[in-house]
Amino acid sequence: NAGVIQTPRHKVTGKGQEATLWCEPISGHSAVFWYRQTIVQGLEFLTYFRNQAPIDDSGMPKERFSAQMPNQSHSTLKIQSTQPQDSAVYLCASSLMGGGEQYFGPGTRLTVL
Amino acid sequence: QQQVRQSPQSLTVWEGETAILNCSYENSAFDYFPWYQQFPGEGPALLISILSVSNKKEDGRFTIFFNKREKKLSLHIADSQPGDSATYFCAASEGGSNAKLTFGKGTKLSVKS
Repeated sequence: NAGVIQTPRHKVTGKGQEATLWCEPISGHSAVFWYRQTIVQGLEFLTYFRNQAPIDDSGMPKERFSAQMPNQSHSTLKIQSTQPQDSAVYLCASSLMGGGEQYFGPGTRLTVL
Repeated sequence: QQQVRQSPQSLTVWEGETAILNCSYENSAFDYFPWYQQFPGEGPALLISILSVSNKKEDGRFTIFFNKREKKLSLHIADSQPGDSATYFCAASEGGSNAKLTFGKGTKLSVKS
């Protein structure tokens, strides 16, 4: 049983470009979470879907960041007009029903030059 | 205001010793507390978790002690091995529909042989 899959593992963009990050949750899991990890801020919650519906986006920056879950097998995090401060490891996690155990993918390291 | 705090930031123990990692929290509504282990270049891996209705949870060499009154918990790693060298994160959530995890800043554990 594959774990959470995230692609790409590394992405380098120039300032002002768009970045799209992909997440495939564990098969059968109905909840998908996005987090961001930096040295300074640590692990921060961004947004959360359950049964493909957005439940909580309280951690998402108000501008330039958006997330979607078009079907139960994948979610995307899009960052428009990337800035150097967006450089981080973006982590996706899934859980069976929302509450309880969350399983993380390996992350996508985004570097904005 | 940091809702989940961890101490120490770094810890070094000798092989075979018990490592004790501490965590405290502010939000009385938190009722689920997982600990994650993270190696460089990887996503966090769920190690062990506890619900606030319990005061102790054991899984092999890993034990969580939980004190609801003092809003404190600790992770004890018995018979520490060099392979346990990693960063450990304490996290918390309110459970139910509010499933997002709030993380501490982590404790970097080094086990010397």
